[in-house]
Amino acid sequence: NAGVTQTPKFQVLKTGQSMTLQCAQDMNHEYMSWYRQDPGMGLRLIHYSVGAGITDQGEVPNGYNVSRSTTEDFPLRLLSAAPSQTSVYFCASSLQGGNEQFFGPGTRLTVL
Amino acid sequence: SQQGEEDPQALSIQEGENATMNCSYKTSINNLQWYRQNSGRGLVHLILIRSNEREKHSGRLRVTLDTSKKSSSLLITASRAADTASYFCATTGDSGYSTLTFGKGTMLLVSP
Repeated sequence: NAGVTQTPKFQVLKTGQSMTLQCAQDMNHEYMSWYRQDPGMGLRLIHYSVGAGITDQGEVPNGYNVSRSTTEDFPLRLLSAAPSQTSVYFCASSLQGGNEQFFGPGTRLTVL
Repeated sequence: SQQGEEDPQALSIQEGENATMNCSYKTSINNLQWYRQNSGRGLVHLILIRSNEREKHSGRLRVTLDTSKKSSSLLITASRAADTASYFCATTGDSGYSTLTFGKGTMLLVSP
């Protein structure tokens, strides 16, 4: 099993550009989530999904979109990148919400 | 907003010593989890303790939970240089669908 994979590992964007961060898991987990990690802030939940076709907002959803068309994939879209979105983004999955979560290796995003 | 708050923010010890990290939270929980993050990597789940449990062990890890004080502690015994990492507590609420809320973490440095 590859576990949770994320692409790309690094990305530099200009303000106003859009992009999609990819996340996939091969553990047949129903629950998937996206976090951002900023220095001194811990991890903050952006969006999460409890199954294919079902998504909901977390603590910091503004500027981000998600969709869940399959159990395996949970992409995160930045609609119009801003410098405040410079961060490290982690995708995670678990059998159910509230259970042990498995994290991907992260995507380091810089917005200039 | 962060649910858990770890204390101390940073801890420096020698190999062989024990390391204790504390976590306080604000609202009722279903469970509390501890994660480790090595520099530049994703988080790794260490241990989960449910609200009706008081203590749990896993190898060199011991976790306690005091729901009356809304606090938890993580003890790492006989620390090794490889234990150098950031440690985060995360809580799940006791109502509705449970998302994880992370604290800001404790940075542990274990010197040889």
